[in-house]
Amino acid sequence: GAVVSQHPSWVICKSGTSVKIECRSLDFQATTMFWYRQFPKQSLMLMATSNEGSKATYEQGVEKDKFLINHASLTLSTLTVTSAHPEDSSFYICSARRLRNTEAFFGQGTRLTVV
Amino acid sequence: KQEVTQIPAALSVPEGENLVLNCSFTDSAIYNLQWFRQDPGKGLTSLLLIQSSQREQTSGRLNASLDKSSGRSTLYIAASQPGDSATYLCAVPPGGGGADGLTFGKGTHLIIQP
Repeated sequence: GAVVSQHPSWVICKSGTSVKIECRSLDFQATTMFWYRQFPKQSLMLMATSNEGSKATYEQGVEKDKFLINHASLTLSTLTVTSAHPEDSSFYICSARRLRNTEAFFGQGTRLTVV
Repeated sequence: KQEVTQIPAALSVPEGENLVLNCSFTDSAIYNLQWFRQDPGKGLTSLLLIQSSQREQTSGRLNASLDKSSGRSTLYIAASQPGDSATYLCAVPPGGGGADGLTFGKGTHLIIQP
């Protein structure tokens, strides 16, 4: 299967600071990438859809000014959690696919802890 | 809005047994269904992708079936091994397709006892 790399795998930050998470498709071009969040013992919830060269589409209830998404190239999308609060602590996972309605591949996830 | 349910929520069986994990979804107008495996604290590993035109898909000891009309899929694991212990997630795109992300079930937490 295709490889999606996510970095960092874990990060600890202080309240009020910003954290950037990178998602790269290593061996294919992804016109669309997705960002998910997973709380303990819960399933993945879609946060936003990241489209190369255009604005991200956010799911209802997700603050676009807090979770900044940039998809500057066909192999890289970034998620920046701005002014992080302890309640933002979660597991963030990105996903990418080559074409619409094809197999989705996931990154390793990023464990964010805000203290 | 698409909803996905997985049964059972947890399963513990002795090594060597064959087992079935169930997934149901509310909107059957899907293009495909995907099964994933998630180890604790890790990302997702894609196991099988079934297109809406397919009835089943096989990979090694894994076999996934899809009954789109009834909104159901099963994941069959043959001759289970301790290394199969993980959470198994079922996911579907929104009904009618589109470029949106996947909707996941809550998963089946599987433990294979040595």
